[in-house]
Amino acid sequence: EIVLTQSPGTLSLSPGERATLSCRASQSVSSSYLAWYQQKPGQAPRLLIYGVSSRATGIPDRFSGSGSGTDFTLTISRLEPEDFAVYYCQQYGTSPRTFGQGTKVEIK
Amino acid sequence: QVQLVQSGAEVKKPGASVKVSCKASGYTFTNYYMHWVRQAPGQGLEWMGIINPSGSSTSYAQKFQGRVTMTTDTSTRTVYMELSSLRSEDTAVYYCAKSRGEFSLYRAFDYWGQGTLVTVSS
Repeated sequence: EIVLTQSPGTLSLSPGERATLSCRASQSVSSSYLAWYQQKPGQAPRLLIYGVSSRATGIPDRFSGSGSGTDFTLTISRLEPEDFAVYYCQQYGTSPRTFGQGTKVEIK
Repeated sequence: QVQLVQSGAEVKKPGASVKVSCKASGYTFTNYYMHWVRQAPGQGLEWMGIINPSGSSTSYAQKFQGRVTMTTDTSTRTVYMELSSLRSEDTAVYYCAKSRGEFSLYRAFDYWGQGTLVTVSS
């Protein structure tokens, strides 16, 4: 099983600032099958990024993904008020599909 | 538009079983695999398994092998997840989630149901 470790656990930032979230895998992620999801309280997760760097339908371009192998990053270039949420990375190239433990982006 | 509508909240006693439904609309139901993911209160996301709605083939996470059964009814465009021998640790919100690509096992999850809270308590 591929274990995904996200850091930091919590990121305290102000609107307009840049957010950089990290996801490290215990082994190489197959065929770049790495995704990022956003989850707000009481809501289902929403797909932001798939294939390491491709934005899902309707996702604004302030969200970007990068990385390869075992190290991946989600960057939010300028935080909007609606971006404060929990973010999960996921690998979907091998079974079981696994998620990181999440990074909470909170308002400073 | 794609919609996944799940059944309502359930309260079960330890040892019982629960069956959660997920009704799909807005896309070709049989062309996209469906996953089940759960989230315990205040915790992260946990993948439970996948079903092919057209042929009903399944693959379950080892943790749930022997306790989970995923089925499909193509006539009503509904997938089901049944979890047996419930214990308090199974208290969670259960989500169905559609695979992003047609006929492909290995894709991200692009649409999610609204979630079904299952509470296991004596």
